[in-house]
Amino acid sequence: EVQLVESGGGLVQPGRSLRLSCTGSGFTFGDYAMSWLRQAPGKGLEWVGFIRSKTYGETTEYAASVNGRFIISRDDSKNIAYLQMNNLKIEDTALYHCARYSSQPANWGQGILVTVSS
Amino acid sequence: DIVMTQTPLSSPVTLGQPASISCRSSQSLVHSDGNTYLSWLHHRPGQPPRLLIYKISKRFSGVPDRFSGSGAGTDFTLQISRVEAEDVGVYYCMQATQFPQTFGQGTKVEIK
Repeated sequence: EVQLVESGGGLVQPGRSLRLSCTGSGFTFGDYAMSWLRQAPGKGLEWVGFIRSKTYGETTEYAASVNGRFIISRDDSKNIAYLQMNNLKIEDTALYHCARYSSQPANWGQGILVTVSS
Repeated sequence: DIVMTQTPLSSPVTLGQPASISCRSSQSLVHSDGNTYLSWLHHRPGQPPRLLIYKISKRFSGVPDRFSGSGAGTDFTLQISRVEAEDVGVYYCMQATQFPQTFGQGTKVEIK
């Protein structure tokens, strides 16, 4: 069974950094691209970014709202994908999900809450 | 960016009756590889979103056959043949043809 577990969330002040982790199991982690998505309170789903597998160079894509501030990386030896969030803004407050990507976000983790507030 | 527009935004339905949600994209979702990366997801409170349909009409693993997808180009539809209580929640269409990947606003399905 595919399982994805996010960790590393919490309360952080504007301008600070936070790193989320997504640990996968039940599948060959290195064979898949991984996505990060989020849902702000009372809002719909928003795609944050994406990292391709090693086969495709581990290249990344980002939403304009986070480009230049967020960095996605992966460590296939540990089955973990990371979301490094820098210069956080109040509007980054959301429940963050990672997802195994198979032409689209196929399997989602439960999500981890990130609150940006002074 | 491709804008995804869903209608209706709210859909009260009767148990056992059909339901339908429409999704329109601001440009064609046909990828250069010939595929159309249009998906439907179901989101219930307290649970992660669940992929129902991908590439317009393919049901994801474990999805009941009362869910079906159709459409082409810029117009797509999700149909539930007979609504069950567990089908309540918010349904999203999503395009993965072009970056940034984008979602519709969501359609809230509730039982009358």
